Amino acid sequence: KAGVTQTPRYLIKTRGQQVTLSCSPISGHRSVSWYQQTPGQGLQFLFEYFSETQRNKGNFPGRFSGRQFSNSRSEMNVSTLELGDSALYLCASKREASNIDEKLFFGSGTQLSVL
Amino acid sequence: GENVEQHPSTLSVQEGDSAVIKCTYSDSASNYFPWYKQELGKGPQLIIDIRSNVGEKKDQRIAVTLNKTAKHFSLHITETQPEDSAVYFCAASKMAGTYKYIFGTGTRLKVLA
Repeated sequence: KAGVTQTPRYLIKTRGQQVTLSCSPISGHRSVSWYQQTPGQGLQFLFEYFSETQRNKGNFPGRFSGRQFSNSRSEMNVSTLELGDSALYLCASKREASNIDEKLFFGSGTQLSVL
Repeated sequence: GENVEQHPSTLSVQEGDSAVIKCTYSDSASNYFPWYKQELGKGPQLIIDIRSNVGEKKDQRIAVTLNKTAKHFSLHITETQPEDSAVYFCAASKMAGTYKYIFGTGTRLKVLA
């Protein structure tokens, strides 16, 4: 069974540009969330999608947005990139077949560098 | 606000020794506590988890303990091996279905051969 797949693996952008990251969850998983990982701030929650709806959102500016498609695949977009957006962006999925199905599985991430 | 403190930030042990990483959470409503291992260039991998109705859970060389009263939980790795070297993260979650996991800041474990 394939794990959480994130593309691309690496991205280099310049300030002011925008970027779109993609995530394919584990087959059968309906919930997808995004995290930003930096050396100084650790793992910070961005947002979570379930059945194409944003269910939860972290404390990030509106430049960070996402969406989920009917096949549970998700994309994350960052507009007007800033140097501080350089980070590893991690996608995670969860099955949620029952209300005690908490296990969260991460992809390998997209390393974004903003120059 | 919600917070998870994790200590130590770095830990070096000799191969074969035990390693202990401790976390403290602030939200008493938290009821699910996973631990993740992150190797260089990879995403975090779930290694063990515990729910608030259980005090201890063990899986081979790895164990997790939970003290709900003190809001502490710990990861114990026995008979450490070089391949245990990685960054370990603890996390706390308030309820199933709500996806806002709060992560600790990580512990870099080095197992010296």
